[in-house]
Amino acid sequence: DVKVTQSSRYLVKRTGEKVFLECVQDMDHENMFWYRQDPGLGLRLIYFSYDVKMKEKGDIPEGYSVSREKKERFSLILESASTNQTSMYLCAIAPSSYEQYFGPGTRLTVT
Amino acid sequence: QKEVEQNSGPLSVPEGAIASLNCTYSDRGSQSFFWYRQYSGKSPELIMSIYSNGDKEDGRFTAQLNKASQYVSLLIRDSQPSDSATYLCAVENFGNEKLTFGTGTRLTIIP
Repeated sequence: DVKVTQSSRYLVKRTGEKVFLECVQDMDHENMFWYRQDPGLGLRLIYFSYDVKMKEKGDIPEGYSVSREKKERFSLILESASTNQTSMYLCAIAPSSYEQYFGPGTRLTVT
Repeated sequence: QKEVEQNSGPLSVPEGAIASLNCTYSDRGSQSFFWYRQYSGKSPELIMSIYSNGDKEDGRFTAQLNKASQYVSLLIRDSQPSDSATYLCAVENFGNEKLTFGTGTRLTIIP
């Protein structure tokens, strides 16, 4: 079974804070993804990593950065959180053939 | 811009009937197609993958693919209240490792 864990289920942060969201997989899969999901807008790709230290911007990378120092861990960083970054954040891995498996998600509220 | 279109619903179906969910996509080169189920407050769960034209059955679920018409559908037979969820269609972006998601169809099974 594919297992993806995310560091927090719920998070409340203040405007301007630096926020770290972490995603950990228990296998050696190369491809990892960060999405945000908002009502009416669906799932939108923020960043994608295809190996350690390798990253690629998705559709909405502005205001975010990522880090992948070890294969099993992919972190999403909000350098200075803003209220429009309040959202559900979902990490996914892709073991093979484009199939993606999601972690439980982090619901982030920025006040 | 690659697009995946779904009717947002809500789609209401009586218990025991067949639920039919539809999805169209714009990228003619796409070869891989997925259906995810998402319960309220939870992350998306992969339920079906389809790669070839025609039907693919898995229990009460049947995925149908017509690449010429750029159309993929999901049929749920003998619908149960536990099938009430939002169903997301996802399409591979030809030439890269990414998926494009539709905004989802909310399905309600009426007991």
